[in-house]
Amino acid sequence: DGGITQSPKYLFRKEGQNVTLSCEQNLNHDAMYWYRQDPGQGLRLIYYSQIVNDFQKGDIAEGYSVSREKKESFPLTVTSAQKNPTAFYLCASSSRSSGGAIEQYFGPGTRLTVT
Amino acid sequence: AQKITQTQPGMFVQEKEAVTLDCTYDTSDQSYGLFWYKQPSSGEMIFLIYQGSYDEQNATEGRYSLNFQKARKSANLVISASQLGDSAMYFCGFSLAAGGTSYGKLTFGQGTILTVHP
Repeated sequence: DGGITQSPKYLFRKEGQNVTLSCEQNLNHDAMYWYRQDPGQGLRLIYYSQIVNDFQKGDIAEGYSVSREKKESFPLTVTSAQKNPTAFYLCASSSRSSGGAIEQYFGPGTRLTVT
Repeated sequence: AQKITQTQPGMFVQEKEAVTLDCTYDTSDQSYGLFWYKQPSSGEMIFLIYQGSYDEQNATEGRYSLNFQKARKSANLVISASQLGDSAMYFCGFSLAAGGTSYGKLTFGQGTILTVHP
């Protein structure tokens, strides 16, 4: 079955620790994205990558870092510099467009709690 | 920067009735796409429907249709024959088409919580 996997579903960390969230896709998609969602809010883009070994900052990149060494994988590190890391994190991917805008497909998300 | 507005924090509908969820957007670009996603309480985001800015006909996918009024910059989602399983958060999204400076970035509205009553 093709899809996007994020693990773990729930993650707990102590304040001051870096934590890495995994995102893997087997859809052969070129582009991958990370979003953050706070309770009752919409999604905000953290980082995105259109191609391997390249990525761009989204709207709220401060305190986060990413890497894109493989097409299938786009891990997100939440660093200790992120002031309010507790949130729901969603990873998405999309294929390369032939002209129009492209829908993104999402993983099940990771709920991170930092205390 | 593009802005997406969903003015209805919550909507209620009777089972089997139709419901319209509002979405307006603000852009000066001509080539873009509009998306609707459903987010059940489990948290996953489920793609529902897409409308391209140059599409002349409104998009339809089963019970979902998108009422696209380009001049008014609105892209409302219509759900016909509501079912109990339609109860969820619904998000409208905007993305520039390929070649745009912000290609790939999907900007979402704040969402509308839909509750379907039996």
